[in-house]
Amino acid sequence: EPEVTQTPSHQVTQMGQEVILRCVPISNHLYFYWYRQILGQKVEFLVSFYNNEISEKSEIFDDQFSVERPDGSNFTLKIRSTKLEDSAMYFCASSGTGGTGELFFGEGSRLTVL
Amino acid sequence: GQSLEQPSEVTAVEGAIVQINCTYQTSGFYGLSWYQQHDGGAPTFLSYNALDGLEETGRFSSFLSRSDSYGYLLLQELQMKDSASYFCALNRDDKIIFGKGTRLHILP
Repeated sequence: EPEVTQTPSHQVTQMGQEVILRCVPISNHLYFYWYRQILGQKVEFLVSFYNNEISEKSEIFDDQFSVERPDGSNFTLKIRSTKLEDSAMYFCASSGTGGTGELFFGEGSRLTVL
Repeated sequence: GQSLEQPSEVTAVEGAIVQINCTYQTSGFYGLSWYQQHDGGAPTFLSYNALDGLEETGRFSSFLSRSDSYGYLLLQELQMKDSASYFCALNRDDKIIFGKGTRLHILP
């Protein structure tokens, strides 16, 4: 069964460092998303991406965040200068139908900022 | 903006039926989804209501009433493996917004 894969599963970094989280969405999906979840809290929308550009972003997704689809398979989230409060689980998701259907989530990348 | 409200915790007995309610405020949306998340895991899709009424998928059913801005997830024949967090979510144009989640505790 097709699945969304994310790397790394866990990353520890120092405050102020840049981090890149990687995702391989399901191959025939066209809509891609990043969400984050601080431990024990809700799943928060960060950004959606369609047709090689950002469709929508939340107020969390400020200038320190960026997304890219560098090739036909990968979808990345870059955090330029990490802060302590960026520590969270980051989930990538993809969808074949955008807002009208099911999101398929990856297993997540846990980011710990020290 | 959009907001969703659901109870933070619900407790039920194995074999019983439980209903998790969700109320929402939004200016427009395609439908209401439900996701399950076990501790340490990723959210997984359970159900989607684009239209008012009941959708049934095995032991799980979901209901939507647009006029009441209300939906619920119904879990029947509860099993211990159903212990998890359940999120309702609003499907909009380019994003799906999640509620804060309901932690379901199941007693043997």
